[in-house]
Amino acid sequence: QSVLTQPPSASGTPGQRVTISCSGSNSNIGNNYVYWYQQFPGTAPKLLIYRNNQLPSGVPDRLSGSKSGTSASLAISGLRSGDEADYYCAAWDDNLSAWVFGGGTRLTVL
Amino acid sequence: QVQLVESGGGVVQPGRSLRLSCAASDFSFSNYGMHWVRQAPGKGLEWVGVIWFDGSKQKYADSVRGRLIISRDNSNNTLYLQMNSLRAEDTAVYFCARYDEGRGLDVWGQGTTVTVSS
Repeated sequence: QSVLTQPPSASGTPGQRVTISCSGSNSNIGNNYVYWYQQFPGTAPKLLIYRNNQLPSGVPDRLSGSKSGTSASLAISGLRSGDEADYYCAAWDDNLSAWVFGGGTRLTVL
Repeated sequence: QVQLVESGGGVVQPGRSLRLSCAASDFSFSNYGMHWVRQAPGKGLEWVGVIWFDGSKQKYADSVRGRLIISRDNSNNTLYLQMNSLRAEDTAVYFCARYDEGRGLDVWGQGTTVTVSS
């Protein structure tokens, strides 16, 4: 049972906009930054979003992040087959004094 | 190119020990906190622990506290994970990751696989 809650799966067709949610609590998302990672099978996670909505260099602006209260979301517009991957949200948890991850969302491009 | 390379994984019997290494290159290793994150087969990411930039402090997940120990050698740009009293549930790919104050866990190694089995 992950501290941050994500839907296990999401899907969309090429060109569509998809949103992945991440729900937490005051001790993590509510009081700290949210980060998003993309992971392809057999590879390391890659940072997609930091500080709730900032994009590292090289990440296309088709991706965006937002946060409101104790929830956050990752949006991917102009969906492409290459976006098929697992996506994880993460944040520091003040109560646990630990970094916490969501359970991950597998994105399928139909 | 900023890089982290893990090594030391393998197959080990329950109750035995193993030490993982993470070699850092092309950045000022001694300026960054470093984390270990693991991923059990077919599962999500699980944070293992962190060591402060100067090695002065560590924090661990409840599931590993007292058995897994993080250390670092800043003179050799290397991070370690000493794994003791290993259990089947420690079977996972272990990633090291750099912590940047602004960007969080921004650089990850490719991972090394640990299998605990008799």
